[in-house]
Amino acid sequence: QKEVEQNSGPLSVPEGAIASLNCTYSDRGSQSFFWYRQYSGKSPELIMSIYSNGDKEDGRFTAQLNKASQYVSLLIRDSQPSDSATYLCAVEKAAGNKLTFGGGTRVLVKP
Amino acid sequence: DADVTQTPRNRITKTGKRIMLECSQTKGHDRMYWYRQDPGLGLQLIYYSFDVKDINKGEISDGYSVSRQAQAKFSLSLESAIPNQTALYFCATSDSGPTDTQYFGPGTRLTVL
Repeated sequence: QKEVEQNSGPLSVPEGAIASLNCTYSDRGSQSFFWYRQYSGKSPELIMSIYSNGDKEDGRFTAQLNKASQYVSLLIRDSQPSDSATYLCAVEKAAGNKLTFGGGTRVLVKP
Repeated sequence: DADVTQTPRNRITKTGKRIMLECSQTKGHDRMYWYRQDPGLGLQLIYYSFDVKDINKGEISDGYSVSRQAQAKFSLSLESAIPNQTALYFCATSDSGPTDTQYFGPGTRLTVL
């Protein structure tokens, strides 16, 4: 079992719809969780971080964390073609430690 | 100017050659990382350094070595390149606070023939 798992996709959503991405992790001691967006051929860029159970909203993005079930999700509301990218989930096991990345979910937003 | 730079951006080399990839940052961060990315595999950590005197192996360090020349510079070397080291390589930095937000360089596309 991989430490951080994501469905590779592609997740195809129509423009204006909600894209829902999921990520599961194996280490119950994990403390910090991140979503990075990566356009093809470009470097990852941080879009959301979440540290406690519940929802965290930032513009059209909402991260949801459930430590009991060991999953973290990302919702993209009102999806735009510019949201077409690969979304990487990253998990930090302990404060100040290194990150473990999932394989990424490719999202395609169709006009 | 970019906060995290990598040189070269693209490199084609032959099996057995020694290659060095360089990373520089102006963010003032203590922590630096080297990752490789293969299609569908996300990012795999090669080496990381939490300060100039601290070097640690990551998940896939075999065949690689690093040097932390200064707080701002972290180099990755392939002593004898092999074709399965063909990949996209990223350098990243982070501060030494309680969370580990990482900032990535633009990447180096390496092809080993």
